[in-house]
Amino acid sequence: EAQVTQNPRYLITVTGKKLTVTCSQNMNHEYMSWYRQDPGLGLRQIYYSMNVEVTDKGDVPEGYKVSRKEKRNFPLILESPSPNQTSLYFCASSLYGQGSQYFGPGTRLTVL
Amino acid sequence: QQQVKQSPQSLIVQKGGISIINCAYENTAFDYFPWYQQFPGKGPALLIAIRPDVSEKKEGRFTISFNKSAKQFSLHIMDSQPGDSATYFCAASVRGYSTLTFGKGTMLLVSP
Repeated sequence: EAQVTQNPRYLITVTGKKLTVTCSQNMNHEYMSWYRQDPGLGLRQIYYSMNVEVTDKGDVPEGYKVSRKEKRNFPLILESPSPNQTSLYFCASSLYGQGSQYFGPGTRLTVL
Repeated sequence: QQQVKQSPQSLIVQKGGISIINCAYENTAFDYFPWYQQFPGKGPALLIAIRPDVSEKKEGRFTISFNKSAKQFSLHIMDSQPGDSATYFCAASVRGYSTLTFGKGTMLLVSP
């Protein structure tokens, strides 16, 4: 089954404790992206990657890092989480140049 | 700068009625306009999409109307059902690029 998986699905952590949210896709997609979803603000792009070792900032990259060492994986790293990063995070992927993106199930992060 | 403006923010429609969600864009380079549907606890999923070479696209009860001169597009849900209750996002992208610019979303409630 073609899918995007994220782990963990739920995470509660404390300020400053480094964390990683994993994202993996099995569709051989070149393009992968991370979004955060907040009430009233919709989906905002954090980082994206057009292929292995190619990443770029989205609209709200501050406080986040990403890496793309393998085509299927695109982890999101919060080196020092803060409460304003409490949000619902989605990973998505698509074939490069195609506007249709496949979304993962989401990771709900709470930073205390 | 919000490049895709979506309205209304929320919408209540009676079962059997027509739900209409509108989006306006600013970037004339946009040439792919998808709509995503998101149920609570799930990631957004592609519902229907249109390119500007047609003015309308219909898939079942869902229709996109596109007005290139006005830089507007809308989603019509005919015979709305309680199962259509979800958040709907319009989006836009430029040909050859995967990055989507999303509207802020519309929460639709279809009352029984």
